[in-house]
Amino acid sequence: ETGVTQSPTHLIKTRGQQVTLRCSSQSGHNTVSWYQQALGQGPQFIFQYYREEENGRGNFPPRFSGLQFPNYSSELNVNALELDDSALYLCASSPTSGMADTQYFGPGTRLTVL
Amino acid sequence: QQQVKQSPQSLIVQKGGISIINCAYENTAFDYFPWYQQFPGKGPALLIAIRPDVSEKKEGRFTISFNKSAKQFSLHIMDSQPGDSATYFCAAKGGGADGLTFGKGTHLIIQP
Repeated sequence: ETGVTQSPTHLIKTRGQQVTLRCSSQSGHNTVSWYQQALGQGPQFIFQYYREEENGRGNFPPRFSGLQFPNYSSELNVNALELDDSALYLCASSPTSGMADTQYFGPGTRLTVL
Repeated sequence: QQQVKQSPQSLIVQKGGISIINCAYENTAFDYFPWYQQFPGKGPALLIAIRPDVSEKKEGRFTISFNKSAKQFSLHIMDSQPGDSATYFCAAKGGGADGLTFGKGTHLIIQP
């Protein structure tokens, strides 16, 4: 059984550009959540997808958007990048009912905005 | 508004000692309380989690103590080892599609 994987590992963008980050959920997990972790801080919840629909969102603006695909892989898209978007972006997957609160994190994508 | 407050910010413990990290929460709708361990350059790894219907949960050297009335919970690491040196995060979650709310983290150093 493979764990949560994310790509790319590192990414450098310029302010104003757009970026897409990718995540493959752990086998058998149908819920995916995305978090932003600034340096020296705890992760902050961006949003959650279940059955290809966003069903929960944290305090992030609409330029943060996502997709979930039928194979439970997911994308995080960020438009109009700002310097403060520089962070580690984490994807977490959760199993179906029973342990739905349990979230398993991937290694993250380090985004640097110049 | 910080909904989960974690302390201390950093902690140094001698090898073989007990490491204790504390968290307090405000939202009474929280009903799931996990602890995560994170090494530099890695994603958080789930260590242990508890729900409010029990006051203590133990898995190996890791124990969560939970005080519902005080809205506090803590992580105890027994027989701390240098390999335990990492950043530890407490978190809390309510029902439904709420995400995890994390504390700010504790940087733990175990001295050999």
